[in-house]
Amino acid sequence: KQEVTQIPAALSVPEGENLVLNCSFTDSAIYNLQWFRQDPGKGLTSLLLIQSSQREQTSGRLNASLDKSSGRSTLYIAASQPGDSATYLCAVRPDTGRRALTFGSGTRLQVQP
Amino acid sequence: DTGVSQNPRHKITKRGQNVTFRCDPISEHNRLYWYRQTLGQGPEFLTYFQNEAQLEKSRLLSDRFSAERPKGSFSTLEIQRTEQGDSAMYLCASSLPTSGSGNEQFFGPGTRLTVL
Repeated sequence: KQEVTQIPAALSVPEGENLVLNCSFTDSAIYNLQWFRQDPGKGLTSLLLIQSSQREQTSGRLNASLDKSSGRSTLYIAASQPGDSATYLCAVRPDTGRRALTFGSGTRLQVQP
Repeated sequence: DTGVSQNPRHKITKRGQNVTFRCDPISEHNRLYWYRQTLGQGPEFLTYFQNEAQLEKSRLLSDRFSAERPKGSFSTLEIQRTEQGDSAMYLCASSLPTSGSGNEQFFGPGTRLTVL
């Protein structure tokens, strides 16, 4: 059974810092990995999707990397801003043909102005 | 708004009552998913439709839960005889059929259920 772990569970940084969020998964047989942002009481906003054959994806100040063989992904946020404060979730889809995503519990990020 | 929509956004009910939620996916998305999220946890998969066919069901989807997508457009999730443990955020997502998109899933705002 796939298990996804996100470390740290919570993080508080001053504005302007670069930061890295970590995601690890136990079964490397994945089809893709997706990073989401969730604001309190809201739905999920898709940030980046990395196919299993890719090493990284970039969108603006966000960069996500994937090391499938070691079961790890990182989300790098450059020059953090207070508006980045949210919970960040990673999710993996298996390469078995099934479509269900398995999520981590998220990292709650607070960027202090 | 062309995103995934869900109604109602909030539902408070008494234990034992039945509730029904609706999800309208992004148009041209033929795949639709339901997830449940409890406080402090990531979403957990419940079920998946491709068009009107329900292709995957989680063990979390007990016999009190039923989901439908009758015409391959909107979907409903019904919970019968609600229990306090059903209190959660119910999230709906949809994705495109084309493999090139990686089947990226786009989520709606969720329906928060509180069972008293």
